[in-house]
Amino acid sequence: QKEVEQNSGPLSVPEGAIASLNCTYSDRVSQSFFWYRQYSGKSPELIMSIYSNGDKEDGRFTAQLNKASQYVSLLIRDSQPSDSATYLCAVMNSGGYQKVTFGTGTKLQVIP
Amino acid sequence: DADVTQTPRNRITKTGKRIMLECSQTKGHDRMYWYRQDPGLGLRLIYYSFDVKDINKGEISDGYSVSRQAQAKFSLSLESAIPNQTALYFCATSTRTGTNGYTFGSGTRLTVV
Repeated sequence: QKEVEQNSGPLSVPEGAIASLNCTYSDRVSQSFFWYRQYSGKSPELIMSIYSNGDKEDGRFTAQLNKASQYVSLLIRDSQPSDSATYLCAVMNSGGYQKVTFGTGTKLQVIP
Repeated sequence: DADVTQTPRNRITKTGKRIMLECSQTKGHDRMYWYRQDPGLGLRLIYYSFDVKDINKGEISDGYSVSRQAQAKFSLSLESAIPNQTALYFCATSTRTGTNGYTFGSGTRLTVV
């Protein structure tokens, strides 16, 4: 079982719709969770972080965390063609090194 | 100027050659990391450094070495490049706690022929 799992996609949504990206993780003691956006050939860019169960909203982005189910998601409202990218889920454990494990990413395509 | 700068941006080298990738940061972060990214495999950690005197191997360190010359500088060397080291390499930085996530450099696309 991979430590951090994401559906590779592509996930296609029409412009203006809600895109829902999902991530599951295996380490129950994970404490910090991140979403990065990566455009093709570019570096990952942090867009959201979440540490507690529930929802965290930032503009059109909402991160959702359910530690009991070991599940974290990212919702993008009013999706725009510029949101087309690969979204990486990253999970930090609570050990001494605070290891961060990245998922392989979900490719999102927003269709105009 | 970028917070995390990597040089070179692109490099083609021959099998067996030694090559160094450089990373410098103006974030003032303590921790620095080197990752490689391959299609379908995601980001994999090569080495990480918590400060100048603390350097640790990541999950795929074989064939690589690093040097932390200063708090702001962290270089990655391929002692004898081989074709399966062809990849996109990223340097990243974080605070001591890491809870604010990573800042990535713009990457180095390395091709070993």
